[in-house]
Amino acid sequence: SQTIHQWPATLVQPVGSPLSLECTVEGTSNPNLYWYRQAAGRGLQLLFYSVGIGQISSEVPQNLSASRPQDRQFILSSKKLLLSDSGFYLCAWRDRINSPLHFGNGTRLTVT
Amino acid sequence: GESVGLHLPTLSVQEGDNSIINCAYSNSASDYFIWYKQESGKGPQFIIDIRSNMDKRQGQRVTVLLNKTVKHLSLQIAATQPGDSAVYFCAENIRGGATNKLIFGTGTLLAVQP
Repeated sequence: SQTIHQWPATLVQPVGSPLSLECTVEGTSNPNLYWYRQAAGRGLQLLFYSVGIGQISSEVPQNLSASRPQDRQFILSSKKLLLSDSGFYLCAWRDRINSPLHFGNGTRLTVT
Repeated sequence: GESVGLHLPTLSVQEGDNSIINCAYSNSASDYFIWYKQESGKGPQFIIDIRSNMDKRQGQRVTVLLNKTVKHLSLQIAATQPGDSAVYFCAENIRGGATNKLIFGTGTLLAVQP
């Protein structure tokens, strides 16, 4: 069966520090991969998605970037974190168009 | 960017009553829709989906209705239980060229009173 791993679960980082959040999927090949961010008490904002290795679509121009170095690995990065980057970051995958997204357990990022 | 929305609207129901959660979607070309349930501190969990060639789909205690004319989606939960308390999101699938993305609505907090 397919599983998604996202880590770390929580992270506290100072302003100006770099960020790297990793997400991996097991049990499937060539998944569509997604990064979402959720502010407290709010909806999910799509940040990036990828339909294949090296293919990244950016939804919101901001202080973050994404990479897909391997088929089932999706990384969210920042060179210098801002206070506004705080939030709940969710990775998700699906194996084909018009199928549900399956979410990881999320990373709670607090920038201080 | 896509909708992130305002602070969550709340629906409060009594245990055992039926709940109806509504959602308006934005893109008339959207061809696939999903309802998710999110409990505090966790990732969203799939509940039910529906394709644009359907008007209604039923699952266990849940029904999704799609009205493409007015771009409206609803989730009906029968005999609501305390364990149904959570935030519920609708999502629409937007496709076109290389685009294949799922955009979420603002969410509704369902509070079930015992």
